Amino acid sequence: NAGVTQTPKFQVLKTGQSMTLQCAQDMNHEYMSWYRQDPGMGLRLIHYSVGAGITDQGEVPNGYNVSRSTTEDFPLRLLSAAPSQTSVYFCASRTDRGNTYEQYFGPGTRLTVT
Amino acid sequence: AQSVAQPEDQVNVAEGNPLTVKCTYSVSGNPYLFWYVQYPNRGLQFLLKYITGDNLVKGSYGFEAEFNKSQTSFHLKKPSALVSDSALYFCAVRVHGSGNTGKLIFGQGTTLQVKP
Repeated sequence: NAGVTQTPKFQVLKTGQSMTLQCAQDMNHEYMSWYRQDPGMGLRLIHYSVGAGITDQGEVPNGYNVSRSTTEDFPLRLLSAAPSQTSVYFCASRTDRGNTYEQYFGPGTRLTVT
Repeated sequence: AQSVAQPEDQVNVAEGNPLTVKCTYSVSGNPYLFWYVQYPNRGLQFLLKYITGDNLVKGSYGFEAEFNKSQTSFHLKKPSALVSDSALYFCAVRVHGSGNTGKLIFGQGTTLQVKP
């Protein structure tokens, strides 16, 4: 198992540009989430999905879109990048099968918006 | 509002000494509690969880945590710290109940520094 993979690892964007952060998991997990990590603020939930075709907003969804067309993939789209979106982005997945509950995190994408 | 607090930004301990990283929570319903560790430039790794049962749970790398319902706390502990334990630690809570989608609420993180 590769677990949760994210691409790219690093990205620099100019204000107003758009891009997609990729996330994939090979564990057949139902739940997938996107978080952003900023110093002193922990991880904040952007969007999440409870299964293919179902997504919902988290704590800080503005400026981001998601879709979940397959169980494996959960891309995060920045529509028009802003400096406030400079952050480290983590994708995570989990399953409730077997009463495990813990989330598995990808290695992160470090995004800088200038 | 549901929240998780880690009152210390940084904890410093000497190698070989016991360590404690504090976490308190405020949720409605029965909490599921988690500890994660993040090493530099890495994603978060699961350490341990409390779902139900014994209040003292054991996890990876010799860590353990004690669930205290009356004090709404879930402090992370280790009897003898290693330099390699130096990292950023996150406490998280999930509320279990009907209609719940299993979202986690994270604390702001505590940096653990273990000095030789």
